[in-house]
Amino acid sequence: NAGVTQTPKFQVLKTGQSMTLQCAQDMNHEYMSWYRQDPGMGLRLIHYSVGAGITDQGEVPNGYNVSRSTTEDFPLRLLSAAPSQTSVYFCASNKGFGANVLTFGAGSRLTVL
Amino acid sequence: GIQVEQSPPDLILQEGANSTLRCNFSDSVNNLQWFHQNPWGQLINLFYIPSGTKQNGRLSATTVATERYSLLYISSSQTTDSGVYFCAGLFGNEKLTFGTGTRLTIIP
Repeated sequence: NAGVTQTPKFQVLKTGQSMTLQCAQDMNHEYMSWYRQDPGMGLRLIHYSVGAGITDQGEVPNGYNVSRSTTEDFPLRLLSAAPSQTSVYFCASNKGFGANVLTFGAGSRLTVL
Repeated sequence: GIQVEQSPPDLILQEGANSTLRCNFSDSVNNLQWFHQNPWGQLINLFYIPSGTKQNGRLSATTVATERYSLLYISSSQTTDSGVYFCAGLFGNEKLTFGTGTRLTIIP
């Protein structure tokens, strides 16, 4: 049981480049989400999904796109990277927000030059 | 908007000491969780505690929902307890809001 798997772990981009952060979970969780972590600001929600085909915006969605074609996968796309998107990104999943806790991936460190 | 405030922001303790971390939230909470981020960046859930008290070994947590706060207690601290502790709450929707964390450093 791998849990939540994120790739890549590290990435360096130039301003204007695009990339996709991959997230996959094998726990049959309905809820998946993406957070970014910046120094002194905790974790901020970017986008989330409550099931396949359903996505919604979080606190800081600008500059990011998501899709949820399957229950297992929830990729995060940066269409035109900016230095302000330099951050550590975490994907998380859970069964739903009853009494279910959030399981995080290991994180992806992105640097935009 | 919803506010989740944690205190203290930083805490340095000698190994063996006890500590109390606090989380205040600005609205009624449906789902309150505590997380530990270790020095390697991994985030691990410690407690799901929307109300009441739970214990897990040297760690325990109490949430008083009516007064809008939660406490995380760490007893007999070990160096492996070092890291950042986050609380996060769900306030009537699907969006979990995190506090800015308490950085705990345990000195041998």
